[in-house]
Amino acid sequence: QVQLQQSGPGLVKPSQTLSLNCAVSGDSVSSTSIGWNWVRQSPSRGLEWLGRTYYRSKSYNDFAESVKSRISITADTSRNQFSLHLSSVTPEDTAVYYCTMDRWDSGYFENWGQGTRVTVSS
Amino acid sequence: EIVLTQSPGTLSLSPGERATLSCRASQNVNHNFLAWYQQKVGQAPRLLIYAASTRATGISDRFTGSGSGTDFTLTINRLQPEDFAVYFCQQYGVSRTFGRGTKVEL
Repeated sequence: QVQLQQSGPGLVKPSQTLSLNCAVSGDSVSSTSIGWNWVRQSPSRGLEWLGRTYYRSKSYNDFAESVKSRISITADTSRNQFSLHLSSVTPEDTAVYYCTMDRWDSGYFENWGQGTRVTVSS
Repeated sequence: EIVLTQSPGTLSLSPGERATLSCRASQNVNHNFLAWYQQKVGQAPRLLIYAASTRATGISDRFTGSGSGTDFTLTINRLQPEDFAVYFCQQYGVSRTFGRGTKVEL
């Protein structure tokens, strides 16, 4: 059973970069059968898929159009974790952020992290 | 983007009753790639159903998913106290989008 443990700051200033980590246990971030995703949830936007990183013969990424210009998702095999970086944040980026995973490019999310509430405020 | 509209917004029921939740897509969901999740307060969503009608591992057979194309339904038979929660649908045929949820309340 894959378990995901999130960490990162709960407060980010406007225009700065939001960075969150998701530590993986029970499998490897370099697994060729799993995609590592980030989803956020806010009252105004509901649940919103942000993007994923996945490893096949090399590392790939897919991102939602809404954040494509500001997002990166990276995997650290030495720490077996993956990370979200969202730049130039505004109060609209205030949300609960979840890391999650899908198998074999299924697109549905089987295991989730515990969530991190991030507030964008000065 | 495929927009998912869930109805009703809130469903008020009693234990033992049946809940019927609707999820309507703005366009055809490829291959019926539709999932349902349950979310309780302060918790992450939990996968219930994928591919419109396949129960995820460990999910009670009181939960049934059905539908195709643009119209999908989640039915919860014999509501138990632990079933009172918010339910979301998600399509994964084109990118991934979620509905806004249906709250099943006592």
